[in-house]
Amino acid sequence: DQQVKQNSPSLSVQEGRISILNCDYTNSMFDYFLWYKKYPAEGPTFLISISSIKDKNEDGRFTVFLNKSAKHLSLHIVPSQPGDSAVYFCAASAFNNDMRFGAGTRLTVKP
Amino acid sequence: KAGVTQTPRYLIKTRGQQVTLSCSPISGHRSVSWYQQTPGQGLQFLFEYFSETQRNKGNFPGRFSGRQFSNSRSEMNVSTLELGDSALYLCASRDVRGGEKLFFGSGTQLSVL
Repeated sequence: DQQVKQNSPSLSVQEGRISILNCDYTNSMFDYFLWYKKYPAEGPTFLISISSIKDKNEDGRFTVFLNKSAKHLSLHIVPSQPGDSAVYFCAASAFNNDMRFGAGTRLTVKP
Repeated sequence: KAGVTQTPRYLIKTRGQQVTLSCSPISGHRSVSWYQQTPGQGLQFLFEYFSETQRNKGNFPGRFSGRQFSNSRSEMNVSTLELGDSALYLCASRDVRGGEKLFFGSGTQLSVL
């Protein structure tokens, strides 16, 4: 069962513009959400996270928004840079349970 | 600190064989999780070990098993390999005192012919 869904397999944006990656989840017990970035031939690396008590978390060019009522979160990258080109995974977990990942969105930032 | 180390990096096996993958977590991390990554499916959770005990298990057949040693190193075993087992297998460790963040290794790319 796919409890975390990323419905866009790919996204292409121009350098300097905003990238918005979306993620939906079905399990209302999830209370912690993360975004990971993955380059080819490497493991995923942690990017940013948010707990369910917040609706926004910012770290430099990256901002994650959480809408609990809609069970939706999004990652905004502003401004987008060519080095941001990678696969982005959304992940969610409930206390003391395993972390579930989405299928990933491949972001391409064009110079 | 050294990161999560997975060996081997690549493996080629034939159907019916078995395989063992190894993972050394970050020093001090006692939780180790395993994930399978296939194109279009994202990361599918296999299992998590903490203090040598399996804490959580995903929806994989019994051919997939794992264990954790007293030094927190973990191994994953797949018996009677099938073509569909071809995937990137990722290991991740976590400091349970430091929240939910997982630290991943580079993975083992398994090809079953």
